Amino acid sequence: SQTIHQWPATLVQPVGSPLSLECTVEGTSNPNLYWYRQAAGRGLQLLFYSVGIGQISSEVPQNLSASRPQDRQFILSSKKLLLSDSGFYLCAWSGGGDEKLFFGSGTQLSVL
Amino acid sequence: SQQGEEDPQALSIQEGENATMNCSYKTSINNLQWYRQNSGRGLVHLILIRSNEREKHSGRLRVTLDTSKKSSSLLITASRAADTASYFCATDAGWGGKLIFGQGTELSVKP
Repeated sequence: SQTIHQWPATLVQPVGSPLSLECTVEGTSNPNLYWYRQAAGRGLQLLFYSVGIGQISSEVPQNLSASRPQDRQFILSSKKLLLSDSGFYLCAWSGGGDEKLFFGSGTQLSVL
Repeated sequence: SQQGEEDPQALSIQEGENATMNCSYKTSINNLQWYRQNSGRGLVHLILIRSNEREKHSGRLRVTLDTSKKSSSLLITASRAADTASYFCATDAGWGGKLIFGQGTELSVKP
């Protein structure tokens, strides 16, 4: 069966520090991968999506970037965090002809 | 930009009652999906309804879709305390799998 792993679960970082969040999927190949951000009490904002290795589409211009170095690995990064980068970050995947998304457990990022 | 807008933003009911949440969207869709999120957790897919369908059932869930009004509703029958969560609608923006989520409805079911 397919599983998605996202870590860390929580992260507290100072303003100006770098960020690296990692997401991996097991049990499937060539998944579509997504990064969403959720502000407290709000809906999800699509940040990046990827249909294959090295193929990244950005939905919102911002202080973040994404990379897909391997088929089932998706990384969210920042060189210098801003206060406004705080939020709940969710990785998700879809594939195999199934249109629904499968989400990771999320990372709560607090930038102080 | 957000595509789906849920209504109400918050809903509080007693166990055993039915809960109805509504979602409106702006553009044509291929399908509409509903997800559930427990506090501090990832989202879980509940049900998908395609643009050529009008109603779909899954257990205690009933989803309707009115493409002429660009709206959908999620009905949870005989609610339980364990149904307490946030519920989101999401629309397929045209490229399969790229979903746009609404702001969600926070449901509280009191025992």
